[in-house]
Amino acid sequence: SQQGEEDPQALSIQEGENATMNCSYKTSINNLQWYRQNSGRGLVHLILIRSNEREKHSGRLRVTLDTSKKSSSLLITASRAADTASYFCATDESGGGADGLTFGKGTHLIIQP
Amino acid sequence: KAGVTQTPRYLIKTRGQQVTLSCSPISGHRSVSWYQQTPGQGLQFLFEYFSETQRNKGNFPGRFSGRQFSNSRSEMNVSTLELGDSALYLCASSLALVRETQYFGPGTRLLVL
Repeated sequence: SQQGEEDPQALSIQEGENATMNCSYKTSINNLQWYRQNSGRGLVHLILIRSNEREKHSGRLRVTLDTSKKSSSLLITASRAADTASYFCATDESGGGADGLTFGKGTHLIIQP
Repeated sequence: KAGVTQTPRYLIKTRGQQVTLSCSPISGHRSVSWYQQTPGQGLQFLFEYFSETQRNKGNFPGRFSGRQFSNSRSEMNVSTLELGDSALYLCASSLALVRETQYFGPGTRLLVL
């Protein structure tokens, strides 16, 4: 079952602008991760934020986590054409819920030059 | 370190046949997970192996099976293929069972005719 739901499903912006994607989930989690996928290839891990963290940065990426609202956001600053990809959030559910990571359906990001 | 490798990269089969996919994890990684990705259902967890034992299994029929060898390499098998099994099959490895960062392979794209 899909726990994470990304919003929007698709996003098109100009190069240099910031891109924000949101993820909502349903159950308690140990951590939430963001992955990037280019053109149906393998996923690349971007960043992991634990349930006791509220914000994390990695280069041009900023992730926030609000466990009270069961939501997370991924901000990509100063976007580049190479950022064009699908972005997925994935949750590791706590309490022995789902097995494996539970992925959302992704946000397709297009960076226009 | 070499990344996760999957073979074959592309596969065409007909209904009723069976298929075996292979995954070699990053050296030193003992956990291997398999995911199925389709446009309709997104990324879904198939199973996870650790130290040659299946630790978790997703909600897939018994036609889907797998195993892990002593060198941590893993195979998954799908018997009696159906059209709906057409998908990108992704393998991911990690150091331990704890679901921290997963390192994904490029995937095997299976087309069932």
